[in-house]
Amino acid sequence: NAGVTQTPKFQVLKTGQSMTLQCAQDMNHNSMYWYRQDPGMGLRLIYYSASEGTTDKGEVPNGYNVSRLNKREFSLRLESAAPSQTSVYFCASRDGALTEAFFGQGTRLTVV
Amino acid sequence: DAKTTQPPSMDCAEGRAANLPCNHSTISGNEYVYWYRQIHSQGPQYIIHGLKNNETNEMASLIITEDRKSSTLILPHATLRDTAVYYCIVRVHVGGYSTLTFGKGTMLLVSP
Repeated sequence: NAGVTQTPKFQVLKTGQSMTLQCAQDMNHNSMYWYRQDPGMGLRLIYYSASEGTTDKGEVPNGYNVSRLNKREFSLRLESAAPSQTSVYFCASRDGALTEAFFGQGTRLTVV
Repeated sequence: DAKTTQPPSMDCAEGRAANLPCNHSTISGNEYVYWYRQIHSQGPQYIIHGLKNNETNEMASLIITEDRKSSTLILPHATLRDTAVYYCIVRVHVGGYSTLTFGKGTMLLVSP
């Protein structure tokens, strides 16, 4: 049982480059989330998808776009990467509002 | 939205009980208290959650005061592997759907 899988695990980008972070879950969960975590900080919500076909902005959505490709997959896209987007990105999924959230192992992104 | 206050750090001796406090004085009647932990840059891991009754599972116990303004997470016999950042979270509603908002948490250091 893989749970939540994120790819890639590490990435270095140059300023202005674009990339897509991939997230897939095999637990048939309805809801999926993208968070970022900066050094010494808690996690901040970027975007979430309450169910397949819907996406909503979280606390820090600027500079990002998301796609809920199907029930399993939720991707995060950086169209023009900036050094301020250097962070660790976590994807999570959960089945319902009151259930526990499962997190991936993170993608460590550095923008130079 | 209810906010939480946690001490930035705590120490505990291995084998002893670790008691991690959390204040959430503005919690609403239908908001749950969740606890997660994050071990050294891994993805956060769910521990336990509750509404107003005390809860226990194989990982920990959650004690919620009668007025629900504070709670305590108890790790009954802390081990070195319990060294982590512990997050107390009150479920936050965004646009009618709940998400999890992480603060800075408490860094628990378990020592031999």
